[in-house]
Amino acid sequence: EAGVTQSPTHLIKTRGQQATLRCSPISGHTSVYWYQQALGLGLQFLLWYDEGEERNRGNFPPRFSGRQFPNYSSELNVNALELEDSALYLCASSLEGAVQTQYFGPGTRLLVL
Amino acid sequence: GQQLNQSPQSMFIQEGEDVSMNCTSSSIFNTWLWYKQDPGEGPVLLIALYKAGELTSNGRLTAQFGITRKDSFLNISASIPSDVGIYFCAGQLKGAGGTSYGKLTFGQGTILTVHP
Repeated sequence: EAGVTQSPTHLIKTRGQQATLRCSPISGHTSVYWYQQALGLGLQFLLWYDEGEERNRGNFPPRFSGRQFPNYSSELNVNALELEDSALYLCASSLEGAVQTQYFGPGTRLLVL
Repeated sequence: GQQLNQSPQSMFIQEGEDVSMNCTSSSIFNTWLWYKQDPGEGPVLLIALYKAGELTSNGRLTAQFGITRKDSFLNISASIPSDVGIYFCAGQLKGAGGTSYGKLTFGQGTILTVHP
């Protein structure tokens, strides 16, 4: 069974640009979660999508947004990139009703210059 | 907000030794999880704990959900070189009526180095 997949693996942008990161959940999983892991820090919760709707968001500014598609895949968009947005962005998925058991993808490494 | 204090921050051990790490919180959590992250990869779920007092094993790994629901520990027995990595604890809180927020709160991680 394929795990959570994310693309691209690496992304380089300049300050002020927009970044789009993509995630495909494990087959059968309906919930997708996004986390930011800045260098040397733990994971910080960004967003939770379930059945196409945003269910919860973490303490991040509105320029962090996303969506979930009918096939349960998801996009994370970061507008007006700032240098401190450089981080590993991790996507996780879970079964419906099992939001406590989240399985992570390999992440997208975003570098903002 | 919720915070998890994970200790130790790093450990340097010899192959074959046992390892213990723990997480404490000022808040009660409904679920505790332990993940391992290798460099450049996403965290891999090792053990999930769902009830206070629960003790669960996965091979050489054993984890417990504290009775107070504010702490958890992870033990690794007879460490081997491939145990090297960063170990994270994570907790999830449910709201009134069992509403889930979806969010996992993570500890700062324990960096484990195993010398052959």
